[in-house]
Amino acid sequence: GENVEQHPSTLSVQEGDSAVIKCTYSDSASNYFPWYKQELGKRPQLIIDIRSNVGEKKDQRIAVTLNKTAKHFSLHITETQPEDSAVYFCATQESGGGADGLTFGKGTHLIIQP
Amino acid sequence: EPEVTQTPSHQVTQMGQEVILRCVPISNHLYFYWYRQILGQKVEFLVSFYNNEISEKSEIFDDQFSVERPDGSNFTLKIRSTKLEDSAMYFCASSEGLGRIAGELFFGEGSRLTVL
Repeated sequence: GENVEQHPSTLSVQEGDSAVIKCTYSDSASNYFPWYKQELGKRPQLIIDIRSNVGEKKDQRIAVTLNKTAKHFSLHITETQPEDSAVYFCATQESGGGADGLTFGKGTHLIIQP
Repeated sequence: EPEVTQTPSHQVTQMGQEVILRCVPISNHLYFYWYRQILGQKVEFLVSFYNNEISEKSEIFDDQFSVERPDGSNFTLKIRSTKLEDSAMYFCASSEGLGRIAGELFFGEGSRLTVL
């Protein structure tokens, strides 16, 4: 089955700086790569996603890059703000079928230092 | 904005008891899922459900687990004989399901299960 590795497990950055979280995956059949943000005690919420036919996608301060050859994808947050503090999970979906479950990484606890 | 709703928000049960967690997916969604998250750990896939049957299940989803869509709106997860290690947050999710193209998963607020 799919194996998703996520690094780092904890990331502390100064407010206003950029944060980068990286994930690698093992299954070359995966072609959907979402990122979820989970605040303490809350549900995971999708912040950005990318499909395998695209190399980069941006939404305001958030961007995701995908390298299918190397099987890794990254989340980039620029101009970080205190409300960006949360746990971020990457995920993959094999074959892109709606019935396939997501395989999540172990999460990155992002701490924004004022 | 439509939401996935789950009940109960928190359930405490004795080991060996049966538990049913309930979910109401977003009304026009076709795919339904259960995930679990042990405290401080990653979200883990349990099962997906489409067209009134299980589409995929993980190794975690053993014979103690079952899912059902008893009517047009509810989607339930049953754990027949709970174990201590079943203690976790259980998230229901649904997606629109655009054929073979993955759609965004919308998660419910979760049901926290504590097994004593």
